[in-house]
This record gives sequence, structure tokens and C-alpha cells, in this order.
Amino acid sequence: NAGVTQTPKFRILKIGQSMTLQCAQDMNHNYMYWYRQDPGMGLKLIYYSVGAGITDKGEVPNGYNVSRSTTEDFPLRLELAAPSQTSVYFCASSRSGDRETQYFGPGTRLLVL
Amino acid sequence: AQTVTQSQPEMSVQEAETVTLSCTYDTSESDYYLFWYKQPPSRQMILVIRQEAYKQQNATENRFSVNFQKAAKSFSLKISDSQLGDAAMYFCALKEGGSEKLVFGKGTKLTVNP
Repeated sequence: NAGVTQTPKFRILKIGQSMTLQCAQDMNHNYMYWYRQDPGMGLKLIYYSVGAGITDKGEVPNGYNVSRSTTEDFPLRLELAAPSQTSVYFCASSRSGDRETQYFGPGTRLLVL
Repeated sequence: AQTVTQSQPEMSVQEAETVTLSCTYDTSESDYYLFWYKQPPSRQMILVIRQEAYKQQNATENRFSVNFQKAAKSFSLKISDSQLGDAAMYFCALKEGGSEKLVFGKGTKLTVNP
């Protein structure tokens, strides 16, 4: 199993550009999450999904959108990138029988200039 | 509201010795879970140990153990026989039973000296 994978590893965006951060898991987990980690801080939840077709907002959803068309994939869309979105983004997943244990991907570092 | 506080921004320990990282939390729920995650320079978040609030026994995973003081809302991590590979940021996290959100502390940077 590859676990949770994320692409790209690093990206530089110009202000106002858009991009999609990819996340995939091969563990057949129903639950998937997107977090951001700002320098010197812990992670904050952006969006989460409890299954294909079902998503919900987390703590800091503004400026982001998500979709979940399959169990495996949970892309995060940034529209009109702003410097405040410079961060490291982590995707995570968990299974229905153990929602509490989240498995994280390696992260995507995003720099908005 | 859920909060997690890690009061030690940095800690250091000599190789082979023991170190304890502190964490306090706040929640109004009786059903919750506590976690310690390790984040090495690679940035990968690695689960170290978890504790269910309803369990009185402290969780243990090899060299890692916790001291869970429910009344004091304290959840410290003890690392025994510290190894160079233990050097990392350590995050304490809280998840309420009815919520999908993990709430993280700001982290403690652990340095292991040879």
C-alpha cells in the first residue's frame, strides 16, 4: 500500500492564480481530510469528507473548495490564490471502524507570491 | 471549544535518557481521544500514540508512554531511552467523539544530543 499520497510536493503560485492539490489513498478509507499548517503552528482542518459525494467545512474553509467523486481521491481546489494561503497542506484519511486514527500524506508546500 | 496547549516550544535530551513533553487540553465532552504525533524534518506526520478518554490505563507503545491525568486535563508524553531518530516536532492533538476535527497544539521541538 502506498498509503496517502499527495501531489505536487512543492508549488509556487502567483497571486490570483488557481490550482488543485491532489490527494489519493489506497486503503479504502471512507474519511478524508485536508489540513493546513502555518509556520510554527499545529494543523488546522480545512475540509473533510465522510464518503464519496459528501463533504463538509472544517475550521478554515474560506478560499478553498473540495470534491469527492471517488473513495480514493479528495482534491483541494484553491481559487484566486492569496499570500495568506502560503502554507503546508496535509491530506489525511481514516477508516470507518477507527475514525479517530488519521493517516497523513507527506504534505504539499505552497508558496503564493 | 476544544483547545490544546503545549507550553514547551523546545526541549532537549541526551541520547539514551528520558524526556517528558507536556500537553494540556480543554473539552466539554466526555467522549474524546488524545494523540501524540511526530513530525520529523521530512514533514511527514506520524502517529506515535493514542489514548481514549474512557480508558484509565495509560497507553504505551514501546519506548513511548503517556501520563493521562483526566481530572487535570493533562496528557504528557514520556520518551524513554531517547534515540537520535526521535528528534522531531511533537504535536499533541485532541478529537472529540462526535467531531471530525483534530485540534492540534503548537508543537514542541525535541532535540536529541549525542
